[in-house]
Amino acid sequence: DGGITQSPKYLFRKEGQNVTLSCEQNLNHDAMYWYRQDPGQGLRLIYYSQIVNDFQKGDIAEGYSVSREKKESFPLTVTSAQKNPTAFYLCASSMERGRVGTQYFGPGTRLLVL
Amino acid sequence: AQRVTQPEKLLSVFKGAPVELKCNYSYSGSPELFWYVQYSRQRLQLLLRHISRESIKGFTADLNKGETSFHLKKPFAQEEDSAMYYCALSGRRTGANSKLTFGKGITLSVRP
Repeated sequence: DGGITQSPKYLFRKEGQNVTLSCEQNLNHDAMYWYRQDPGQGLRLIYYSQIVNDFQKGDIAEGYSVSREKKESFPLTVTSAQKNPTAFYLCASSMERGRVGTQYFGPGTRLLVL
Repeated sequence: AQRVTQPEKLLSVFKGAPVELKCNYSYSGSPELFWYVQYSRQRLQLLLRHISRESIKGFTADLNKGETSFHLKKPFAQEEDSAMYYCALSGRRTGANSKLTFGKGITLSVRP
């Protein structure tokens, strides 16, 4: 599969703790995205980045933060301000800056709260 | 604002039966529509996009601007079609819209 990887596969968070989810791609894609997938809710966009050192809030950015220091990496931090973090998190990338085009998805990280 | 509505959560059919997964959208400009599929234990992946006007795995979807719909159809369902299907929308103008909006998804179950 390669292409776009996410780690870890499972992540446990304690109350008040910040945790960081990793997303790496070797597809040389400009744009990267973070989604949250909940049963019955579909995919909801958290943050996206069209170019290095730039990113925009999606529809549900509260309680999350991101960085884009390298083209191939787009880590997502789930902060203690996110009151309902338990979900499946998907990272994606697309080649076309400014237009979504086709998105390629990673395998996902499941975040659970202890 | 852009919105995608998939009115059903689950569709269960027998093998060989026709399938239609409904998708309606709301968007003020020219939309691009997509269907994504997630098979069990596999990654979410693109199934087809309306501008390609192609058939993938026997599935087709036609954009109906009058009815603002992009329904996914297959004349004869196979068991391997069982999966979660998402309809998605983006804007067409370069730079005007840099994100996909997904519907809530529908689970297709094809029984033997």
